[in-house]
Amino acid sequence: DAKTTQPPSMDCAEGRAANLPCNHSTISGNEYVYWYRQIHSQGPQYIIHGLKNNETNEMASLIITEDRKSSTLILPHATLRDTAVYYCIVRVRTGGFKTIFGAGTRLFVKA
Amino acid sequence: ETGVTQTPRHLVMGMTNKKSLKCEQHLGHNAMYWYKQSAKKPLELMFVYSLEERVENNSVPSRFSPECPNSSHLFLHLHTLQPEDSALYLCASSQDWLAGETQYFGPGTRLLVL
Repeated sequence: DAKTTQPPSMDCAEGRAANLPCNHSTISGNEYVYWYRQIHSQGPQYIIHGLKNNETNEMASLIITEDRKSSTLILPHATLRDTAVYYCIVRVRTGGFKTIFGAGTRLFVKA
Repeated sequence: ETGVTQTPRHLVMGMTNKKSLKCEQHLGHNAMYWYKQSAKKPLELMFVYSLEERVENNSVPSRFSPECPNSSHLFLHLHTLQPEDSALYLCASSQDWLAGETQYFGPGTRLLVL
């Protein structure tokens, strides 16, 4: 599975959009981009995933660059409850499971 | 509502004790996982079960012994642990053992080994 690079921490004002970047320059054609988050002392929570096209659901939007070497998770109106560690993961959808969670980005949403 | 429950939520044990962590998923999934999360470290995958068979064992010490009696239940048996084993132990499940399947995590068991 391709490695990812994320900033260790970010701040965001409550009510504003939070844009969390992820670099995955070695991503291969059959690898998906997944985002999870982990609120303090809880298990990780799935947010969104995509392959090539931008994706949107009730939680967030995922923007993947045309060359697929980077992506951005967008929380359109961040709330205090969005304060968490956000993990960007890339992996294939076939074969065995070897997800590697990196250090992620610690997002602080401030009032 | 993740559909994955873990008990106990907190556990304190001595190095000579034997204890078990329990995970139950109510999602009809075929794959279950154990992860370890130590303080300020990334999640580490420990074990993977698919259709009740262990398919992944990431060089975990033998003092950790998993058991999957059926597709809904997963146990982690602990014996003669070390203080460095203190961590948050997370269980997860997914529909199938495919790398791209979305995983659903339980709340974790916070373990302290004295």
